[in-house]
Amino acid sequence: RKEVEQDPGPFNVPEGATVAFNCTYSNSASQSFFWYRQDCRKEPKLLMSVYSSGNEDGRFTAQLNRASQYISLLIRDSKLSDSATYLCVVGLIGGSQGNLIFGKGTKLSVKP
Amino acid sequence: EAGVAQSPRYKIIEKRQSVAFWCNPISGHATLYWYQQILGQGPKLLIQFQNNGVVDDSQLPKDRFSAERLKGVDSTLKIQPAKLEDSAVYLCASSPGLKLFFGSGTQLSVL
Repeated sequence: RKEVEQDPGPFNVPEGATVAFNCTYSNSASQSFFWYRQDCRKEPKLLMSVYSSGNEDGRFTAQLNRASQYISLLIRDSKLSDSATYLCVVGLIGGSQGNLIFGKGTKLSVKP
Repeated sequence: EAGVAQSPRYKIIEKRQSVAFWCNPISGHATLYWYQQILGQGPKLLIQFQNNGVVDDSQLPKDRFSAERLKGVDSTLKIQPAKLEDSAVYLCASSPGLKLFFGSGTQLSVL
């Protein structure tokens, strides 16, 4: 089983749609969770951290389910500019100072 | 605030040649990472430094890849000799904690 798994997509949605991505992780000792966004031919950039209680940042909502070992990202009212690849990142806190593992990413394409 | 600087931006070499990449992290960031990102995949950690010491190099192909971080600031990643499967984007990232700040990467093509 891969350490961090994501549906590669692509997810093709119209503007204004709501779209959700899931990500599963295999290491139950994982302590830190993030969503990064990567535009085509660009470097990844942190979108948001994922907290145990769930958190929201504008149109983006992230949730963590430790029992089932998955995290999710919900995007409401999709914009054309949301088109990108969304990378799920899971980390351990400990001697490796984080040891962040990236998923392969889920590609989102928002159409007019 | 200046970001993570990397050079060169692109590099094309033939197999069996050598290549080196340079990274200057954000000032004050003690942790520096080198990632390899093959097209269609997520970044894969090659090596992690804390100041100038290696924290994790378990996925670095040490027969051909080497990296150093002198004086705990700049870092270089070298591949010698390169193979076709080394074609990828090499991303440098620095971090004050767990959140990563990436450079623009070096796109390597091995022909």
